[in-house]
Amino acid sequence: DIVMTQSPDSLGVSLGERATINCKSSQSVLYSSNNNNYLAWYQQKPGQPPKLLIYWASTRESGVPDRFSGSGSGTDFTLTISSLQAEDVAVYYCQQYYSSPFTFGPGTKVDLK
Amino acid sequence: EVQLVESGGGLVKPGGSLRLSCAASGFTFTDAWMSWVRQAPGKGLEWVGRIKSKAGGGTTDYAAPVKGRFTISRDDSKNTLYLQMNSLKTEDTAVYYCTRAAAGLVDYWGQGTLVTVSS
Repeated sequence: DIVMTQSPDSLGVSLGERATINCKSSQSVLYSSNNNNYLAWYQQKPGQPPKLLIYWASTRESGVPDRFSGSGSGTDFTLTISSLQAEDVAVYYCQQYYSSPFTFGPGTKVDLK
Repeated sequence: EVQLVESGGGLVKPGGSLRLSCAASGFTFTDAWMSWVRQAPGKGLEWVGRIKSKAGGGTTDYAAPVKGRFTISRDDSKNTLYLQMNSLKTEDTAVYYCTRAAAGLVDYWGQGTLVTVSS
């Protein structure tokens, strides 16, 4: 199974400042035949189901603000919130969908500083 | 509008069984690959398993902790996904989310249904 890790576990960010979350997979999730990274990011606010933010490591889901961006390839990935807004307070999860079981990272909690 | 509505959660004793249902609407259910994801109280997300569309072979995959105890099925005539859970353990206590998941990527989530396994 592919193990996903995230860092940090939590971070406090001031309004308007940048938040950076890292995700690492235990093996590459880059499929060489199509050069796609099978890596997604989800946002979960308290009391709500998760919401898809980013897929293919860097493609924003429709309707997701452009302050959210994803980057990375192979085994190392980053989710960046360029200018944190109050509504971005949430837990963020990465997930690999390269191979079953489609494992999630443990999550990173983003709070306001 | 895509809607996924779970039902069937509740309190069950260890060793017991429960069947969850998920009513889907707003998309062509027959073509969709579907999955279940769970979240224990205060914990992270755990992928439970998935079922491919009939055109995709209709096969199922499961996470190791539930393999042999849980069964995912679908009734395309009713646009409904099921999760049959047998030999339940206390560690199966969680909110269970029904999801639409093309090849593992989840693009829609239900609101979830809580399953509590306790004596």
